[in-house]
Amino acid sequence: RKEVEQDPGPFNVPEGATVAFNCTYSNSASQSFFWYRQDCRKEPKLLMSVYSSGNEDGRFTAQLNRASQYISLLIRDSKLSDSATYLCVVPNSGGYQKVTFGTGTKLQVIP
Amino acid sequence: DTEVTQTPKHLVMGMTNKKSLKCEQHMGHRAMYWYKQKAKKPPELMFVYSYEKLSINESVPSRFSPECPNSSLLNLHLHALQPEDSALYLCASSPGVTGELFFGEGSRLTVL
Repeated sequence: RKEVEQDPGPFNVPEGATVAFNCTYSNSASQSFFWYRQDCRKEPKLLMSVYSSGNEDGRFTAQLNRASQYISLLIRDSKLSDSATYLCVVPNSGGYQKVTFGTGTKLQVIP
Repeated sequence: DTEVTQTPKHLVMGMTNKKSLKCEQHMGHRAMYWYKQKAKKPPELMFVYSYEKLSINESVPSRFSPECPNSSLLNLHLHALQPEDSALYLCASSPGVTGELFFGEGSRLTVL
């Protein structure tokens, strides 16, 4: 299994739809997880942090399943402005100086 | 607005040029990073500085030379680059205990 694996997509969804992405990770010792959003030709920006079972922020919900070693990102009521690439990031064990990025999932919200 | 500032935003250089990328953060973070990102790929770690000391070098060619003058500044000196080095170079900082990264807007480098 790759260290961090994501479905590359693209996910094409209509405005208002609910969409979910999964990210699987191989390091069972990982304690924290992150979702970043990256717009085309821009820098990644931290979207959500997940330290326990999950986190919710408005239309965005991140959930952690330690038993199956995956985290998910759920976006409700999709907006055109949600179109971006969503990167799953898992810190490496031992100091958090290194993290592993997933390859990213591309979301396109269609009018 | 990002709290990590990178200059220049765009840079075009020839293979014989010497140039530098600069990064500044004032969040009191003690870890600073250089990443390289090619189109449609995730960021790829190059260097990590922790408390102003180089702690990780991901076997980066010596034509890339990092420097950390103080806890707020990070430079990347470029010399004799190749066209395949053209990419977006991202600086990031981190509080260092949680794994969160705060990225600058990046410097888009083109090597001719």
